[in-house]
Amino acid sequence: EPEVTQTPSHQVTQMGQEVILRCVPISNHLYFYWYRQILGQKVEFLVSFYNNEISEKSEIFDDQFSVERPDGSNFTLKIRSTKLEDSAMYFCASNGRTGNYGYTFGSGTRLTVV
Amino acid sequence: QKEVEQNSGPLSVPEGAIASLNCTYSDRGSQSFFWYRQYSGKSPELIMSIYSNGDKEDGRFTAQLNKASQYVSLLIRDSQPSDSATYLCAVEGGSYIPTFGRGTSLIVHP
Repeated sequence: EPEVTQTPSHQVTQMGQEVILRCVPISNHLYFYWYRQILGQKVEFLVSFYNNEISEKSEIFDDQFSVERPDGSNFTLKIRSTKLEDSAMYFCASNGRTGNYGYTFGSGTRLTVV
Repeated sequence: QKEVEQNSGPLSVPEGAIASLNCTYSDRGSQSFFWYRQYSGKSPELIMSIYSNGDKEDGRFTAQLNKASQYVSLLIRDSQPSDSATYLCAVEGGSYIPTFGRGTSLIVHP
């Protein structure tokens, strides 16, 4: 079964530092997403990406966040100056939008800002 | 603001029983509906997708959709302890972005 792969699984960073979270979506998928889930809360949409550009972003996705697809496989989320409240699980998801589709999530990166 | 509402639970059922999980949504233009299972500390795992009114069955799972009532449900037959998890309802509108509910915690006790 095709998988979405995320690295690292856990990242601890100091407040104010930059972090890059990495994702390898399913190879024939064209739509990519970042979501986050603060402990005990719901899964929240951050940004969607299609055709090498952002298609939608939420209010959470402010200027400290950016996404890139630097090559044909990787999809990254950068947080420029981390805050304590950025501590959460970050999930990458992809979607092929064909047939009986659904959104496939990666295993997530647990980001802890100290 | 697009809202997806779920009872947080926990819903506790005995092993072998039917578990019924419910979800309502606010965006009448929503087109696609998904149920995910999430174990503690893990990522959401897709169980079912449903797009048209009525029932859709896959093994022990049945999704039911009523767009007029803006209601989608998931039935789990012959519930097993391994089904104990949080079940997330996700609703996709015209922007192709799923909005998630807070999830319902299901406990299946032996």
